[in-house]
Amino acid sequence: DAKTTQPTSMDCAEGRAANLPCNHSTISGNEYVYWYRQIHSQGPQYIIHGLKNNETNEMASLIITEDRKSSTLILPHATLRDTAVYYCIVTGANSKLTFGKGITLSVRP
Amino acid sequence: DTGVSQDPRHKITKRGQNVTFRCDPISEHNRLYWYRQTLGQGPEFLTYFQNEAQLEKSRLLSDRFSAERPKGSFSTLEIQRTEQGDSAMYLCASSLAAYGNTEAFFGQGTRLTVV
Repeated sequence: DAKTTQPTSMDCAEGRAANLPCNHSTISGNEYVYWYRQIHSQGPQYIIHGLKNNETNEMASLIITEDRKSSTLILPHATLRDTAVYYCIVTGANSKLTFGKGITLSVRP
Repeated sequence: DTGVSQDPRHKITKRGQNVTFRCDPISEHNRLYWYRQTLGQGPEFLTYFQNEAQLEKSRLLSDRFSAERPKGSFSTLEIQRTEQGDSAMYLCASSLAAYGNTEAFFGQGTRLTVV
């Protein structure tokens, strides 16, 4: 599975969009980009995934660059409850997830 | 369906004892994964099953660890002769193997403390 690189932390103001970047320059053609988040002491929560097209669901939007070497998770209106560690993961058909340290998002009032 | 269920939520055991954890996946999911997470780190993959077949085991899964998934339903993870280094959160996840739609759903985990 391709490795990913994320900043260690970021913050944003409540109500504003949070844009979380991820680099995955070694991604191969059949690998998906997944985003999960983990709120303290809970199991990871699935957010969104994509292959090459941009995706949107009720939680977030995923923007994947045309060369697929990077992506951005967008939380359109961050709330305090969005404070969590966000993991960007690239995985193949077996869906085995290789977690890094993720990015800690802090949403401030 | 209430999602992935893990039991117990917390376990304290003495070093050298055996422990067993149970995971009940989402009912129609044919894949089941075990992960381990220590403080400040992301979850680490341990093993996964497709139906009852154990398809991959991490090098992290020493001989003291064994996992089963009889009949492709619930799964158990057993740790024999526990060591203090086994203290961690053990997470279970399940997914439905289908092209393009294989997001995994996690349980709340079992927190193991070895004293």
